[in-house]
Amino acid sequence: AQSVTQLDSHVSVSEGTPVLLRCNYSSSYSPSLFWYVQHPNKGLQLLLKYTSAATLVKGINGFEAEFKKSETSFHLTKPSAHMSDAAEYFCVVSVNNNNDMRFGAGTRLTVKP
Amino acid sequence: NAGVTQTPKFRILKIGQSMTLQCTQDMNHNYMYWYRQDPGMGLKLIYYSVGAGITDKGEVPNGYNVSRSTTEDFPLRLELAAPSQTSVYFCASSYGGQGTGNTIYFGEGSWLTVV
Repeated sequence: AQSVTQLDSHVSVSEGTPVLLRCNYSSSYSPSLFWYVQHPNKGLQLLLKYTSAATLVKGINGFEAEFKKSETSFHLTKPSAHMSDAAEYFCVVSVNNNNDMRFGAGTRLTVKP
Repeated sequence: NAGVTQTPKFRILKIGQSMTLQCTQDMNHNYMYWYRQDPGMGLKLIYYSVGAGITDKGEVPNGYNVSRSTTEDFPLRLELAAPSQTSVYFCASSYGGQGTGNTIYFGEGSWLTVV
């Protein structure tokens, strides 16, 4: 079975400073990994995904994530936070031929002016 | 550019009542899903469908039923509402299966309270 652990339930940064949201995964097979963002009272939107191609994945709005198999991690980063980045972020794992995605508990990102 | 549309957005139910959450997508996606999201938690899969006439259970199917008579529609039915079903429900769709890395498109959510 696969699972993800988001290591921080809440991250607070100042506008213009770097963002790091941490995610570790567990999977018996080669995983597909995703980061989704959820703004208040909205549905989830895909930020980026890893599907066994390049280990450094670039997404929308300046976010990127690096797949590190040796560390079973898929941390999300952004060089400079913007106020509009304040939202809930979910790390998600899925295994090939498996229609069941497993979501992490989420990390709430707060951006201070 | 509708995408995935779900209704109603908000609903209060009494214990034991029944209701149907409607979901429709206009992207001709084969795969559709229903998730629930409890406070402070990630999404959990209730049911999914890989095409019209085919449905299967996800991680938390108890207390729910689904049907898929058309490609576009995937309603979720609660037969005997219980307080434990108070949650936010998300419908989603994708062209291919989730395990193959296909992008999932989500609706905006339905807030359900059972009292």
